[in-house]
Amino acid sequence: AQSVTQLDSQVPVFEEAPVELRCNYSSSVSVYLFWYVQYPNQGLQLLLKYLSGSTLVESINGFEAEFNKSQTSFHLRKPSVHISDTAEYFCAVRDIRDDKIIFGKGTRLHILP
Amino acid sequence: DAGVIQSPRHEVTEMGQEVTLRCKPISGHDYLFWYRQTMMRGLELLIYFNNNVPIDDSGMPEDRFSAKMPNASFSTLKIQPSEPRDSAVYFCASTRRGDSYNSPLHFGNGTRLTVT
Repeated sequence: AQSVTQLDSQVPVFEEAPVELRCNYSSSVSVYLFWYVQYPNQGLQLLLKYLSGSTLVESINGFEAEFNKSQTSFHLRKPSVHISDTAEYFCAVRDIRDDKIIFGKGTRLHILP
Repeated sequence: DAGVIQSPRHEVTEMGQEVTLRCKPISGHDYLFWYRQTMMRGLELLIYFNNNVPIDDSGMPEDRFSAKMPNASFSTLKIQPSEPRDSAVYFCASTRRGDSYNSPLHFGNGTRLTVT
């Protein structure tokens, strides 16, 4: 069975500082990897995804994530955060066999002024 | 496209009552997922359907929970009888299988359930 671990439930960071949100997964089969973002009182929205090819994927708002197969990780990074990045971030895996999609518990990003 | 539509947005009910949550997926999507979000457990997968057929319901907490998808445009999640520990935000999400699995999940805005 697959699982997703987000090691940090909350991450405080100063505005314009860099941030890394950690995600590790386990699966006996190949998976596709995603990061979703949830703003208050809303559903989740796709931030970025890794399917194949280059292990570094980027989003339009400056986030990037790197797939590391040997460490089974898909950490999310941003070199300089903005107050508008305040949200909860979820890592997810999709099993290529049965399309089951499961999520980590989420990491709440607090941007400090 | 109107996106995934869930109703009601908020539901407050008393313990022991039946609760029905509704979801309309995006037209053309052949997968539908039900998730439950709580502070303690995060986002848990309850059940998902492919072409209206339940594929995996191993996440349904107990027999009090049931889900149906009578057609491609409608699904329900029912709790009978409801208990205070069922209080959570319930999300419905839909997607389709692309050739490269590149279709993301599209989430509704959720139903916030409070059982007193």
